[in-house]
Amino acid sequence: ETGVTQTPRHLVMGMTNKKSLKCEQHLGHNAMYWYKQSAKKPLELMFVYNFKEQTENNSVPSRFSPECPNSSHLFLHLHTLQPEDSALYLCASSQLQGGTEAFFGQGTRLTVV
Amino acid sequence: SQELEQSPQSLIVQEGKNLTINCTSSKTLYGLYWYKQKYGEGLIFLMMLQKGGEEKSHEKITAKLDEKKQQSSLHITASQPSHAGIYLCGAETTSGTYKYIFGTGTRLKVLA
Repeated sequence: ETGVTQTPRHLVMGMTNKKSLKCEQHLGHNAMYWYKQSAKKPLELMFVYNFKEQTENNSVPSRFSPECPNSSHLFLHLHTLQPEDSALYLCASSQLQGGTEAFFGQGTRLTVV
Repeated sequence: SQELEQSPQSLIVQEGKNLTINCTSSKTLYGLYWYKQKYGEGLIFLMMLQKGGEEKSHEKITAKLDEKKQQSSLHITASQPSHAGIYLCGAETTSGTYKYIFGTGTRLKVLA
């Protein structure tokens, strides 16, 4: 248990669906991250939020839309995804953006059909 | 952009054997993190190294950061089946804003 909780753990969605991934941490951290993990590829950073402000968008397609309503919650809204978007989506948080270790959630296994 | 390369990509060892995993950076490391991941799950933080020459240990796992801060190694002594998983090194990069990047991982299997 790392203190970072992601829901749902598994998600199957059609290409025309709209769904959201949720991440929650009560560690008092100020930075939150979304990563994508595909088979045989390094973890890909998608978005970074620091004190609720987006500080990084790593050229992510607009069909992925992040939202950070407060320092404890992070969402990833999904719409009109492609099968190649199927992957493990990991959320992480850290006390600061830099200089401290990040703690990861268990991930959401997303399958796009 | 900075990249991390891990070697080997996969490793199978007999229980009780020692092993080493390496992580090499294309640029100077400002913070090096080691994580362990069980298949399909999140990453568990193991250790953080920041100073050149620094060495840290936790139970049977020791991590070192070389003096030039471009390579780190993770050493497991007397491996056990519970050590099996994917080991990832992560680093901070300041290209643009602070962010964490990761290597491709080393998949470890320990045979009982």
